[in-house]
Amino acid sequence: DAGVTQSPTHLIKTRGQQVTLRCSPKSGHDTVSWYQQALGQGPQFIFQYYEEEERQRGNFPDRFSGHQFPNYSSELNVNALWLGDSALYLCASSSEGQGPANTEAFFGQGTRLTVV
Amino acid sequence: AQSVAQPEDQVNVAEGNPLTVKCTYSVSGNPYLFWYVQYPNRGLQFLLKYITGDNLVKGSYGFEAEFNKSQTSFHLKKPSALVSDSALYFCAVRDMLWSNDMRFGAGTRLTVKP
Repeated sequence: DAGVTQSPTHLIKTRGQQVTLRCSPKSGHDTVSWYQQALGQGPQFIFQYYEEEERQRGNFPDRFSGHQFPNYSSELNVNALWLGDSALYLCASSSEGQGPANTEAFFGQGTRLTVV
Repeated sequence: AQSVAQPEDQVNVAEGNPLTVKCTYSVSGNPYLFWYVQYPNRGLQFLLKYITGDNLVKGSYGFEAEFNKSQTSFHLKKPSALVSDSALYFCAVRDMLWSNDMRFGAGTRLTVKP
């Protein structure tokens, strides 16, 4: 059973460019959340997708957008990259329809984004 | 809004000794609490969770955590530490049962020395 997979693993971009990160959730999971983890900090919630719609959003600007596809996979897009966007971007999946006993999120390995 | 605090940036223990990594939380409703571990250049791995029920929760790799409502704490414990337990540990809280909006602490780096 494949867990959460993210691509690419590493990425280097220039300020002002746009980037797309991808995530495939764990088999059986229908909900995908994205987190940004800056160096030395805990993950910060960006947004969550369920049934192909953004259901929740953290304190991130509109430069951060996303999408969820019918197969539950997801993309995170960041426009007009800043140096401060350099971080590890984590995707987490869960199954919202299976009740409170299954509320833990499973994380991917992350994409390390470096903006130069 | 929910939040967690991990008061210790670093915890050092000798192999074979018990370990404790501290976490306190703040929520307006019922807390749903989690511990995750992160190894270098890796994502987060789930260790254990508290949703309801027994205050002592047992998880992966011999870890356990005790939920204390009066002290709003959820400390992670292990009776006998291993060198391989050395990693970054994160406590997280959800205020809403059906939300993935987990708020993470800043993390505690655990070092277990032989």
